[in-house]
Amino acid sequence: GESVGLHLPTLSVQEGDNSIINCAYSNSASDYFIWYKQESGKGPQFIIDIRSNMDKRQGQRVTVLLNKTVKHLSLQIAATQPGDSAVYFCAENMGGGSYIPTFGRGTSLIVHP
Amino acid sequence: EAGVAQSPRYKIIEKRQSVAFWCNPISGHATLYWYQQILGQGPKLLIQFQNNGVVDDSQLPKDRFSAERLKGVDSTLKIQPAKLEDSAVYLCASRTGGGSYGYTFGSGTRLTVV
Repeated sequence: GESVGLHLPTLSVQEGDNSIINCAYSNSASDYFIWYKQESGKGPQFIIDIRSNMDKRQGQRVTVLLNKTVKHLSLQIAATQPGDSAVYFCAENMGGGSYIPTFGRGTSLIVHP
Repeated sequence: EAGVAQSPRYKIIEKRQSVAFWCNPISGHATLYWYQQILGQGPKLLIQFQNNGVVDDSQLPKDRFSAERLKGVDSTLKIQPAKLEDSAVYLCASRTGGGSYGYTFGSGTRLTVV
């Protein structure tokens, strides 16, 4: 399920299920997007990225989809494992030579064994 | 390749005290960032350096926060005096420069102001 408000949105899944985490970005001029995984006590860790001239990119067990029309990103994790439990952030990078990742709010993924 | 090193890992101070955080980026990375991450939120940029020059400090509360990167390598972020709302994790990140988007984050310093 999900909860919003002062707490992070939360997605709870069973081990082995596929997970989909969504993100709305704010700037139509953004040309590069990154998904990060952040475990407790650690900094954000790169998962996968996508440039604005693409609408889909696949990695190992992860896929990122980009819909520029509605300014929406999604991260799909296949066969979710307990080790995938973390907070996931999308970040957008505005174009024009700006190299500053701007983070969204984050989603907490909880994987139940 | 060694990652981005930050110290200390944790710091507890009383309000109105001062505190400093240190960051050593990945060797050769020209660009260095400091982010503030309040519990339950995404990281927010405080300042960006390119070598030893400031590129963007528009979101740095300059009345109490300062940062420097004197030799274009290590960086320090200082808060003086600290307020309760400064309690957060302070993350340092670095990037190689040029047209690369390869950002690498450190593990951060968790600051608690009491």
